[in-house]
Amino acid sequence: NAGVTQTPKFQVLKTGQSMTLQCAQDMNHEYMSWYRQDPGMGLRLIHYSVGAGITDQGEVPNGYNVSRSTTEDFPLRLLSAAPSQTSVYFCASSYRQSSYNYGYTFGSGTRLTVV
Amino acid sequence: RKEVEQDPGPFNVPEGATVAFNCTYSNSASQSFFWYRQDCRKEPKLLMSVYSSGNEDGRFTAQLNRASQYISLLIRDSKLSDSATYLCVVKVSGGFKTIFGAGTRLFVKA
Repeated sequence: NAGVTQTPKFQVLKTGQSMTLQCAQDMNHEYMSWYRQDPGMGLRLIHYSVGAGITDQGEVPNGYNVSRSTTEDFPLRLLSAAPSQTSVYFCASSYRQSSYNYGYTFGSGTRLTVV
Repeated sequence: RKEVEQDPGPFNVPEGATVAFNCTYSNSASQSFFWYRQDCRKEPKLLMSVYSSGNEDGRFTAQLNRASQYISLLIRDSKLSDSATYLCVVKVSGGFKTIFGAGTRLFVKA
């Protein structure tokens, strides 16, 4: 029972480099999302998806792209890394949002440092 | 003003103590409420949902006051293993907006 799997766990990038953070879930959850967590600010939503082929922007989408070709996978792409993107990134999934009392299952996170 | 506000703490309590966390939210369209627990350098994990009538899960009791837009979490008989950050989470109806509070840090000492 894997739940939500994120890779890599740690990454150091140079400014301007691009990379993809991987997220996969095996719970057949319709809803998937990416958050970043910075000290004192709580989790902030970057992008989310309500199903395969459907994505939308969250609170802080600039500098990130997503796609959802399958129910299971929801990769996050950093287009040109900047030091301001140094953060901990969490992928989360749940049953469809209309089921309001379903909470999220989070992946274990990716700690990204941009130098 | 943040949409979900929590006292950042830290709360330092001895084992066996009762501790209460408060959370206020500003969006009157908020529909669902949760408490998550996050251990140091780990992912958040759902602790409990919060229902209008209040609900209890073992040593944990959650309360919701919609009129005052206020949520609380009470932990009785604190254990060392309760040391963590507790996140207040609010889902807003009519969309896919979920707002996380910045969290309240709890240290339980022997």
